[in-house]
Amino acid sequence: DIQMTQSPSSLSASVGDRVTITCRASQGISNYLAWYQQKPGKVPKLLIYAASTLQSGVPSRFSGSGSGTDFTLTISSLQPEDVAAYYCQEYNSAPTFGQGTKVEIK
Amino acid sequence: EVQLVESGGDLVQPGGSLRLSCAASGFTFSSHTMNWVRQAPGKGLEWVSYISNSGNTIYYADSVKGRFTISRDNAKSSLYLQMNSLRDEDTAVYYCARVVRGYSYVFDYWGQGTLVTVSS
Repeated sequence: DIQMTQSPSSLSASVGDRVTITCRASQGISNYLAWYQQKPGKVPKLLIYAASTLQSGVPSRFSGSGSGTDFTLTISSLQPEDVAAYYCQEYNSAPTFGQGTKVEIK
Repeated sequence: EVQLVESGGDLVQPGGSLRLSCAASGFTFSSHTMNWVRQAPGKGLEWVSYISNSGNTIYYADSVKGRFTISRDNAKSSLYLQMNSLRDEDTAVYYCARVVRGYSYVFDYWGQGTLVTVSS
């Protein structure tokens, strides 16, 4: 089974900061990588798929990159409404999610 | 507007059974692969099961294989999950999730979830 490891597990940043979350796969998954945002008490929301394709309606401050085993989700300018847990998910095989990264405002 | 509405969650004893339902609307249900994904309280997301748009192809996570059965009724735009031999570790919110067309496991719409609690 493919393991997905996210880092950091949590972070605190100021409004306007650039935030980067990394996700590492235990084996190569090409670009079969999605990112989800889950706000407290809410349902997960698809942000990015195919590693870098922005889902319709998602603000352009979100971007994804990477291929193979190493991937990143970047929020170019953190906003208060971005407080959430973020999960990466591989879909090269039976889908596996990372353990999540909690983003808070400092 | 795409809507997915789960139901059927409940408190059940270990070893018991439960059937979850997901009613879909706002899109052509028969054109989309569907999945169940669960989230234990305070924990991360775990994929549970996949069913193709026709129902002919089905996959399960190892953790539920042999105990859970996914099915769908395209005429009723409904997805189901029959859960048998339930264990404490099956306690979670269960989400039905629609798949982006052309992909197997990219989930673009999620229901609000239904809570399954397995406890004596």
